[in-house]
Amino acid sequence: EPEVTQTPSHQVTQMGQEVILRCVPISNHLYFYWYRQILGQKVEFLVSFYNNEISEKSEIFDDQFSVERPDGSNFTLKIRSTKLEDSAMYFCASPVGPSDTQYFGPGTRLTVL
Amino acid sequence: AQTVTQSQPEMSVQEAETVTLSCTYDTSESDYYLFWYKQPPSRQMILVIRQEAYKQQNATENRFSVNFQKAAKSFSLKISDSQLGDAAMYFCAYRTPGGANSKLTFGKGITLSVRP
Repeated sequence: EPEVTQTPSHQVTQMGQEVILRCVPISNHLYFYWYRQILGQKVEFLVSFYNNEISEKSEIFDDQFSVERPDGSNFTLKIRSTKLEDSAMYFCASPVGPSDTQYFGPGTRLTVL
Repeated sequence: AQTVTQSQPEMSVQEAETVTLSCTYDTSESDYYLFWYKQPPSRQMILVIRQEAYKQQNATENRFSVNFQKAAKSFSLKISDSQLGDAAMYFCAYRTPGGANSKLTFGKGITLSVRP
């Protein structure tokens, strides 16, 4: 299976602090996605990113969130001022192959205290 | 908007037996893709199987197969010869054929336990 990597695996932060989650999608891919999964709930789409621009975003992806491609291979999801309800697993995913099947990274577990 | 429904929150199967996980979806599109993802306790999302809506033949991957009923908008996953390692949460997902620029819409998931 194609490899997508994410760091850190677990991040603990205080409410109101900024966090940056990192993803390295499958090499040379221009598209990637961020999804969120609150514990025990379904996986929800946050944002898709193509060629250095946001392609689509959900209503969850408000002004507290931003995505960037700081160095050409890594992608970041930034939450400016975390809230308790931001506690969740955050996944990035890369589409691969003729069906553009999305392969997921291992996720970052974010805990906001 | 497309929706994906997994109405069974939990299921249990005896090791070596067969189990079927149900999924229905709602869409006005005629062309789309359907997926099953497995999420073990590690919480990684692992692709199990993929089905293209334009294909009449049901997809199979080793012990995993689907029953795709396009008219009924039903997409069930059958796991044969269940193994302890199959215990996980399983998510059904839908995607339009927008290529790489098309997000996944997930169901709520079903927790599968495997009894030894």
